[in-house]
Amino acid sequence: NAGVTQTPKFQVLKTGQSMTLQCAQDMNHEYMSWYRQDPGMGLRLIHYSVGAGITDQGEVPNGYNVSRSTTEDFPLRLLSAAPSQTSVYFCASSLAGVTDTQYFGPGTRLTVL
Amino acid sequence: AQRVTQPEKLLSVFKGAPVELKCNYSYSGSPELFWYVQYSRQRLQLLLRHISRESIKGFTADLNKGETSFHLKKPFAQEEDSAMYYCALGSSGTYKYIFGTGTRLKVLA
Repeated sequence: NAGVTQTPKFQVLKTGQSMTLQCAQDMNHEYMSWYRQDPGMGLRLIHYSVGAGITDQGEVPNGYNVSRSTTEDFPLRLLSAAPSQTSVYFCASSLAGVTDTQYFGPGTRLTVL
Repeated sequence: AQRVTQPEKLLSVFKGAPVELKCNYSYSGSPELFWYVQYSRQRLQLLLRHISRESIKGFTADLNKGETSFHLKKPFAQEEDSAMYYCALGSSGTYKYIFGTGTRLKVLA
């Protein structure tokens, strides 16, 4: 049982490049979410999903896309990277949604030059 | 709108001193409140949740609906408590999980 896994751990992009951050969980959790962590701003919700095929926007969705084709995977796509997207990105999942404990991945540290 | 406020960015205490990390929330419904901790070079993990009313690593937190607070307390701080602490609110009405800005606790020897 690996829990929540994220790849890559580190990534450097140039402005305008696109990439996908991968997130997977093997706990059969329905609820999955993406956060970005910035100094002094805590964790801010980017997108979330309550189940396969269902996604919705969080607090800061601009510049990011998500899809949920399976229960296990919830990739986050940066369409055209900008320096403002330099951050640490965390994926999380929970069994019973927002009233339940969130299990976090190890994070991806992204730098956009 | 739901909101979680942690007014202190940094809290420094001496070992053995009491600790209180403040958390206030704004939510029109019945909140689900949590405290998460992030130790250095580790992922975020749950410390405790209000519904379980248990003590983890000596920490407790009581939900005060009148003051809309969920402060985290420990009577005697230990050096290993040094970490980043986040208060979070789960909103079943919006399916969103909202975090505060976090408080860094430093326990000095």
